Amino acid sequence: KAGVTQTPRYLIKTRGQQVTLSCSPISGHRSVSWYQQTPGQGLQFLFEYFSETQRNKGNFPGRFSGRQFSNSRSEMNVSTLELGDSALYLCASSLGVGGPSTGELFFGEGSRLTVL
Amino acid sequence: QQQVKQSPQSLIVQKGGISIINCAYENTAFDYFPWYQQFPGKGPALLIAIRPDVSEKKEGRFTISFNKSAKQFSLHIMDSQPGDSATYFCAASKGNNNDMRFGAGTRLTVKP
Repeated sequence: KAGVTQTPRYLIKTRGQQVTLSCSPISGHRSVSWYQQTPGQGLQFLFEYFSETQRNKGNFPGRFSGRQFSNSRSEMNVSTLELGDSALYLCASSLGVGGPSTGELFFGEGSRLTVL
Repeated sequence: QQQVKQSPQSLIVQKGGISIINCAYENTAFDYFPWYQQFPGKGPALLIAIRPDVSEKKEGRFTISFNKSAKQFSLHIMDSQPGDSATYFCAASKGNNNDMRFGAGTRLTVKP
């Protein structure tokens, strides 16, 4: 069974640009969550999508957005990039029913974004 | 805001020793407490998890101890092995969603 696939794995952007990251969840999983990982702030929840609807949102500015398609694949977008957006962006998928205590979160290897 | 505090930041243990990582939480609504293991270049992977209605859960060499009144939980790794060298994160969540609040992480090094 294929795991969570994130593309691209690495990318470099400059300030002011925008970026789109993609996540393909495990087959059959309907929930996709996005997390930002930085050395200073650690792992922070961005948002969760379930059946194409945003179910939860973390405390990030509106420059961070996402969406989910009917096949459960998800994309997140960051507009007007800032230096502080440099991070590892992790996608996690789960069945989505009953929360994490009944459906394990499976993380991808992440997309490492560097903003210059 | 940080809702889960994790210590120590780093830990060095000899092979065969016991590794102990502690976490404390603030929000009493949390009802799920997992531990994740992350190797360099990889995403976190679920190691073991507990719900607040039990005080201890053991899976192989890994044990979670949970103290609801103190709002603390800890991970014990028995007979630590060099292959256990990784970063460990505690986390907490509530309800039916995947908004997980993570601790800052502990970098464990097990010396052979």
